[in-house]
Amino acid sequence: DGGITQSPKYLFRKEGQNVTLSCEQNLNHDAMYWYRQDPGQGLRLIYYSQIVNDFQKGDIAEGYSVSREKKESFPLTVTSAQKNPTAFYLCASRRSGLSTDTQYFGPGTRLTVL
Amino acid sequence: GQQVMQIPQYQHVQEGEDFTTYCNSSTTLSNIQWYKQRPGGHPVFLIQLVKSGEVKKQKRLTFQFGEAKKNSSLHITATQTTDVGTYFCAGNSGTYKYIFGTGTRLKVLA
Repeated sequence: DGGITQSPKYLFRKEGQNVTLSCEQNLNHDAMYWYRQDPGQGLRLIYYSQIVNDFQKGDIAEGYSVSREKKESFPLTVTSAQKNPTAFYLCASRRSGLSTDTQYFGPGTRLTVL
Repeated sequence: GQQVMQIPQYQHVQEGEDFTTYCNSSTTLSNIQWYKQRPGGHPVFLIQLVKSGEVKKQKRLTFQFGEAKKNSSLHITATQTTDVGTYFCAGNSGTYKYIFGTGTRLKVLA
């Protein structure tokens, strides 16, 4: 919740353009996550990062890329290879890799590809 | 792969009625978390269950974790209009990944 910012809140792009979604956290959390949510659906994991300079593919990584150069930042790029990019994108962070740690979500970015 | 199913998908209740959503995992879980997402908002953490058979209460909300740690439920007593939203469970098998259920969308009719 508080401490995670995503920008912009709404984003419109033309088909075929790459777009980068920002996610910043000041919670000093090690782990960060990107999820995609489609209308009326649950959350699906795109990528996650356990520590700086390391990240792993989630369940739907195709057409997306990430970087984790700084602990507080985990930007997501939606590439033109993503066939259906219009969705609500949620970033989350967690203090560590312990399964009992809570995930905190940012406010999300709604991406619409025209 | 691991799946987490959640039922029902939708539930409409009259204000004051009770509500329950159920979550079932295809594998044994290390823990399960519950989130609430208001319309247009983002998921907000409600609670985490870790122990087999655990029951936790938050005011009108009661959360249960099954003995086999493969299912869980959220029960709301005497719903209010402020309870409107989608309730998600998220299961963890001891890794960095959480598998989210499909959610139950609750509408409360005044």
